[in-house]
Amino acid sequence: QTVVTQEPSFSVSPGGTVTLTCGLSSGSVSSSDYPSWYQQSPGQAPRTLIFSTNTRSSGVPDRFSGSILGNKAALTITGAQADDESDYYCVLYMGSGIWVFGGGTKLTVL
Amino acid sequence: EVQLVESGGGLIQPGGSLRLSCAASAFSVSSNYMSWVRQAPGKGLEWVSVIYSGGSTYYADSVKGRFTISRDNSKNTLYLQMNTLRVEDTAVYYCARGGPYTSGWHHYFDYWGQGTLVTVSS
Repeated sequence: QTVVTQEPSFSVSPGGTVTLTCGLSSGSVSSSDYPSWYQQSPGQAPRTLIFSTNTRSSGVPDRFSGSILGNKAALTITGAQADDESDYYCVLYMGSGIWVFGGGTKLTVL
Repeated sequence: EVQLVESGGGLIQPGGSLRLSCAASAFSVSSNYMSWVRQAPGKGLEWVSVIYSGGSTYYADSVKGRFTISRDNSKNTLYLQMNTLRVEDTAVYYCARGGPYTSGWHHYFDYWGQGTLVTVSS
């Protein structure tokens, strides 16, 4: 069974930079897994941030960026703001019509 | 403006059935792949099912054989028929539109509904 791993929690200072990662319990994440990232605030629907590793969704500020770092997908937030405090989810496309979400990272800005 | 509006959630006893709907506007559900994603209370997102424009369907192992995804093109609506419900199916269910073909498929979700809560409890 494929498990997609994310840090349970992370903290960043206002104005700081943070990198969240998305890995596989066995193996490496590559662009062929089409990693995408979603932001979710409490009580809200997810918001699409990044798709295909590093393409920003429409209207997403450029302080959000995606990449592959080593054997993981990564979401970097540069110049963190208070309203970036949210849960962040990655999802990988496993092929054959199957997606698997990571467990999510709760980001605190303080 | 693309909109997705889910409905049909509620309280249901274990073993019961429920059908969720997702009414779409400003695009055709038949032209995009469409998915259901759920979120148990206080938990993370879980992909549930997808239906492609050609009609192919796929399911997460946790719901395979119990849930059926479908669409009604004339009503521009996506459905999720949920049978033999279990307590662990309790969640907010979101419908999500698959991202469009742009120089290839990107296998992601670009628009989300606000979700409908399904509570399975005796």
